[in-house]
Amino acid sequence: NAGVTQTPKFQVLKTGQSMTLQCAQDMNHEYMSWYRQDPGMGLRLIHYSVGAGITDQGEVPNGYNVSRSTTEDFPLRLLSAAPSQTSVYFCASSYLRTGPTNTGELFFGEGSRLTVL
Amino acid sequence: SQQGEEDPQALSIQEGENATMNCSYKTSINNLQWYRQNSGRGLVHLILIRSNEREKHSGRLRVTLDTSKKSSSLLITASRAADTASYFCATDATGESGAGSYQLTFGKGTKLSVIP
Repeated sequence: NAGVTQTPKFQVLKTGQSMTLQCAQDMNHEYMSWYRQDPGMGLRLIHYSVGAGITDQGEVPNGYNVSRSTTEDFPLRLLSAAPSQTSVYFCASSYLRTGPTNTGELFFGEGSRLTVL
Repeated sequence: SQQGEEDPQALSIQEGENATMNCSYKTSINNLQWYRQNSGRGLVHLILIRSNEREKHSGRLRVTLDTSKKSSSLLITASRAADTASYFCATDATGESGAGSYQLTFGKGTKLSVIP
């Protein structure tokens, strides 16, 4: 019962470095997404995907890239890290419902805590 | 921008008391969901209520939805110390086609402390 697995759990970067946060789910969910959580800001959507080969931007996509080559994996790439990207990042997945209710129950990973110096 | 806003920001109660948290949102929705987050952990789904539903129960949880007021409430009855956590509402706004938007938008959360 792995669910949603995120790696690494902790990471420290220097400004300008790049890195990839990994996310994998074993529930055959069509929908996957990345959120960032900052103190007092709640969760904000970065990117999401409704299936392999399909990605779209959320509320705060700048500075991040994603791809979805398989149903299971949805990596988040930081192209050139900035201190403003210091945050806790959560990956979440879900089945897609048919009909008017599209986004169902999200299953979250345990988070990746990133510090950019 | 935040679609849902929880109220109060923080709530402290004694074990055994009921806890009520409110969520207000701005645009029409397909569904509204409540999540719990323990300190340092990921979010856990509690309950989903659709726009055509007015009330839903799950164990000690009761959720109401008033689409005319664009608001929802989460009631936790007979609270326990283990209920100490942050609680978030999340809305699936109606997209242009009338279907969901695929973008679940979270509020800033209510931090609940249950004192033993």
